[in-house]
Amino acid sequence: AQSVAQPEDQVNVAEGNPLTVKCTYSVSGNPYLFWYVQYPNRGLQFLLKYITGDNLVKGSYGFEAEFNKSQTSFHLKKPSALVSDSALYFCAVRRFYNTDKLIFGTGTRLQVFP
Amino acid sequence: NAGVTQTPKFQVLKTGQSMTLQCAQDMNHNSMYWYRQDPGMGLRLIYYSASEGTTDKGEVPNGYNVSRLNKREFSLRLESAAPSQTSVYFCASRGQARMNSNQPQHFGDGTRLSIL
Repeated sequence: AQSVAQPEDQVNVAEGNPLTVKCTYSVSGNPYLFWYVQYPNRGLQFLLKYITGDNLVKGSYGFEAEFNKSQTSFHLKKPSALVSDSALYFCAVRRFYNTDKLIFGTGTRLQVFP
Repeated sequence: NAGVTQTPKFQVLKTGQSMTLQCAQDMNHNSMYWYRQDPGMGLRLIYYSASEGTTDKGEVPNGYNVSRLNKREFSLRLESAAPSQTSVYFCASRGQARMNSNQPQHFGDGTRLSIL
């Protein structure tokens, strides 16, 4: 069965410092991996995706994610955090040949302090 | 540039009442989805529709029904609301219904539903 784990409920970081939000996955076969961000009272917004190719994926708002097949991880990163990055972040996975269904992690709340 | 529009934004129901949540997208997407979001549980798929005229159950379909009225609209119905269905409901859509497509889903801003 497919699954996604986000081991941290909350990540705190000072503005200007690098940030990492962790995600590990379990899926048979090759995965499609996604990161979404949710601001208060809004729906999820797409940040970036990994399909094939380079293990470092660049996305919106300066975010990037590193795919590591041996560790089955897809951690979200940003070199320099902004207060405006404070939000709820979701990792999601889908099997390469499957229906449209995405499996979401439970979310990690990122708090960036000035 | 509306994207995915959900109505209503908020609703309070009494146990046993019925309710239909509406969703419409203007991006000519084939696939549409209904999720519920509960604290500490992320998003769970209720139902989805890969194309007009087809619907399939997701993880948590019990207590819900859906209708894919046309390509634009996908509604979610609670026939007899229960307190356990208090949640935030999100509709999403995605282009390219092929199984190996990699397009992301686009989400509406949600319907906050409380059942007393």
